[in-house]
Amino acid sequence: QVQLLESGPGLVRPSETLSLTCSLSGGSMSPYKWTWLRQPPGKGLEWIGYSYSSGDTNYNPSLWSRVTISVDTSKNQFSLTLTSVTTADTAVYYCAREWSSFDHWGLGTLVTVSS
Amino acid sequence: EIVLTQSPGTLSMSPGERVTLSCRASQSVDRNYFAWLQQKPGQAPRLLIYGISSRATGTPDRFSGSGSGTDFTLTISRLEPEDFAVYYCLQYGHSPRTFGQGTTVEIK
Repeated sequence: QVQLLESGPGLVRPSETLSLTCSLSGGSMSPYKWTWLRQPPGKGLEWIGYSYSSGDTNYNPSLWSRVTISVDTSKNQFSLTLTSVTTADTAVYYCAREWSSFDHWGLGTLVTVSS
Repeated sequence: EIVLTQSPGTLSMSPGERVTLSCRASQSVDRNYFAWLQQKPGQAPRLLIYGISSRATGTPDRFSGSGSGTDFTLTISRLEPEDFAVYYCLQYGHSPRTFGQGTTVEIK
C-alpha cells in the first residue's frame, strides 16, 4: 500500500532555509498532486502547496514567495524548500497525496526554528 | 480564500451517543470537493470522508457526511471509544486548500 515518510533536519536557524524530503513507497507518482502541509504545535492545519510529477505547482499565496516544491520521479521522492524561516515556521510538517482529497499522509516531522 | 468555520469547538459526549459536527464555508465549495479528517494526539490526520459523503477506505459506516454549497455535517451514529479525537473539515476545490479550526470530541 501507499506509504509516505518525511525526512530532514529537526532544527533550523532563523533566516535559514528549511528543506524536507518525502519518500513514496507502494505507489506511482502520476497522476497525483504531491502536497506539503504543516501544523504548528497545538494549532490547526495549513496547506503549503503541491506539485505534479510534471513539475506543475500550486502554492499557498501566504507562503508562495518562500516556497518551492519539486518532484524527483526517478527516486519516488518530492521535496519542500522554505526560505528565510522565522519562529512562526515551527511546526509538524506533513507530506500527503491529494487525489480524493488528502488520502495518504506521512507520519509528520517536527521542525523547530530556533537559534 | 474560502474560510471554513466549525461548530462547536468542543463536544463532551459519552460512548454510544450520536454526534453531529458542523462546518460552514464562506462561499460555495466547487465540485463537492469537501472532506473531513480525524486526528488523534500525536498522529497524522486521517481522511474519513471525501466528496461530501463518500467514505474513505477503512472508514466505518457509523461515519456519514452530508451537506451542499456552504453547509456541511459529519455525523457519527454511535460513538465508539476510538472516535474521541479532533475532527477537521476541509475544502479542496479551490486554492488555497483551507481547513476548519477543528472540533474536539471528548469523553464526558
